[in-house]
Amino acid sequence: DVKVTQSSRYLVKRTGEKVFLECVQDMDHENMFWYRQDPGLGLRLIYFSYDVKMKEKGDIPEGYSVSREKKERFSLILESASTNQTSMYLCASSSLTLGSQGYTFGSGTRLTVV
Amino acid sequence: KNQVEQSPQSLIILEGKNCTLQCNYTVSPFSNLRWYKQDTGRGPVSLTIMTFSENTKSNGRYTATLDADTKQSSLHITASQLSDSASYICVVLKAAGNKLTFGGGTRVLVKP
Repeated sequence: DVKVTQSSRYLVKRTGEKVFLECVQDMDHENMFWYRQDPGLGLRLIYFSYDVKMKEKGDIPEGYSVSREKKERFSLILESASTNQTSMYLCASSSLTLGSQGYTFGSGTRLTVV
Repeated sequence: KNQVEQSPQSLIILEGKNCTLQCNYTVSPFSNLRWYKQDTGRGPVSLTIMTFSENTKSNGRYTATLDADTKQSSLHITASQLSDSASYICVVLKAAGNKLTFGGGTRVLVKP
């Protein structure tokens, strides 16, 4: 059973802390994505990566950075967490060739910044 | 069952011609519908985002329509260019439960 695993389901962090959200996939997918999901706003793409050490900005990259040192792992970094970054974060991966199954998502990390 | 169905699965068109991609969904309650363009080896790039009250939205040569009554959306590409060769993905967000439903995508190949 293929998986996209996000390291934490729930996180509570303080304003100003550096936060790491980890995502690992075991499907040997080339593409990995980080989204945040907020009520009424839908899912918004933060960053994506189509290869190791490669990254592209999505729709809302401000306040975030990413790291892809290994194919299976894609990390989202909040350099200095702020309350407006309280959100559900979803990682996804996909193969190079988009198939009928689309993207595989992790179970999400609900981050609260206090 | 909430679904997003796209058609056709693939499409070949000549450069300069127009084409229209279809997206039918049964997702309810509806929040918004997105069209993404995904180039081979790249991540998806958002083309349009449409909410319930929006019927048409354009982004350059891309025009999306939404009929929330019939739960249908279309993406029209005008005067296609070689750079339009990509997969186009329709994504519907369910209003309750934050559930994303992705269509299988339409792969467009623009030939010179």
